[in-house]
Amino acid sequence: QVQLVQSGAEVKKPGASVKVSCKASGYTFTRYAMHWVRQAPGQRLEWMGWITAGNGNTRYSQKLQDRVTITTDTSASTAYMELNSLRSEDTAIYYCARRIMGAPGLDYWGQGTLVTVSS
Amino acid sequence: SYELTQPPSVSVSPGQTASITCSGDKLGDKFACWYQQKPGQSPVLVIYQDNKRPSGIPERFSGSNSGNTATLTISGTQAMDEADYYCQAWDSSTEEVFGGGTKLTVL
Repeated sequence: QVQLVQSGAEVKKPGASVKVSCKASGYTFTRYAMHWVRQAPGQRLEWMGWITAGNGNTRYSQKLQDRVTITTDTSASTAYMELNSLRSEDTAIYYCARRIMGAPGLDYWGQGTLVTVSS
Repeated sequence: SYELTQPPSVSVSPGQTASITCSGDKLGDKFACWYQQKPGQSPVLVIYQDNKRPSGIPERFSGSNSGNTATLTISGTQAMDEADYYCQAWDSSTEEVFGGGTKLTVL
């Protein structure tokens, strides 16, 4: 069965960076795109960007494109999301989610990783 | 930037039909998806590509998308359907933006 397992919670100081991992299993990793979505406490879902695991192509939200980098390690079937220059507003749960092949929609989600930014 | 608007809350009686709307400029020209999120859980896809149900999603969930509005309809609403629902627009020329979310209460 398809599973996306994310790394554990992080606490960071303002200005630091965080890198969250998302290990995929149960499917051919390189055949799908992986998206990253975050949700601040009590707030809406916010799309951050995606990567095509097969060729490494990426696309980022305009709001975050200067601070976010999404990568993959295909040998480990793992996607990563790194966010730099952290601010208190970046405190959120970060999710990875697989895009359905050939159709718009995110069909499998990781369990989420809480990132807390606090001095 | 592209924006999607949802009503903050919708209430429905058990067994009745709930409709949740999502509005955006020419949304009908894009694809719409819907996600269900219960407290403390990751979102679950309930409708994709306007009106398709992933495997395992009950038939009581359906979707439509036309003009400026996409609609999620839950027929015969059950207590287990109480959750937050988010729409998402997909288009090659815009970002994959989410709506603000709608809290569905089954009273």
